[in-house]
Amino acid sequence: DAKTTQPTSMDCAEGRAANLPCNHSTISGNEYVYWYRQIHSQGPQYIIHGLKNNETNEMASLIITEDRKSSTLILPHATLRDTAVYYCIPQGAQKLVFGQGTRLTINP
Amino acid sequence: DAGVIQSPRHEVTEMGQEVTLRCKPISGHNSLFWYRQTMMRGLELLIYFNNNVPIDDSGMPEDRFSAKMPNASFSTLKIQPSEPRDSAVYFCASSLARGTGTTDTQYFGPGTRLTVL
Repeated sequence: DAKTTQPTSMDCAEGRAANLPCNHSTISGNEYVYWYRQIHSQGPQYIIHGLKNNETNEMASLIITEDRKSSTLILPHATLRDTAVYYCIPQGAQKLVFGQGTRLTINP
Repeated sequence: DAGVIQSPRHEVTEMGQEVTLRCKPISGHNSLFWYRQTMMRGLELLIYFNNNVPIDDSGMPEDRFSAKMPNASFSTLKIQPSEPRDSAVYFCASSLARGTGTTDTQYFGPGTRLTVL
């Protein structure tokens, strides 16, 4: 399994874009980059995933570098409800291996 | 869709007692996963099933833990006997597996918070 490095914590002002980086320099060619988040006392929630191309859905955008060694999750207009722990997970098979993630706090 | 359903949501028991956690996956999903979350170790995969068959149980901590999936709509995780170090939040997740070697989005339940005194 590829190793990931994420900031332990980040802060963002409400209404601003939150940019969460992830380093996955050992990712293999068949591994997707998945992002999940966990709001306090809830189960993890899927956000978005991608292989090579940038992706966008109703929740977020995912920017993957051309060499695939890092990615950035973008929450375009963060709200207080986006306060959570965000996990970046390279996944090439069914198993999800969670790291420590980034604790994102959205401030009013 | 009701999502993944877990019961009970909270369980408090005494050391040595048997504990059974239950999970109902999303209808139509054919893969089911059991995770455990603690402050010290984070989120860990315990075991997962495809089409009711256990595929990987390498994360099960010891013989006191067992998991079954008698049908596509129900799974149990049993701890016997329970110990204080088993105190954690246990999550169940399900997905629609498209085939060997594929990645599939997992949908998590709300978890069961277990406290063993």
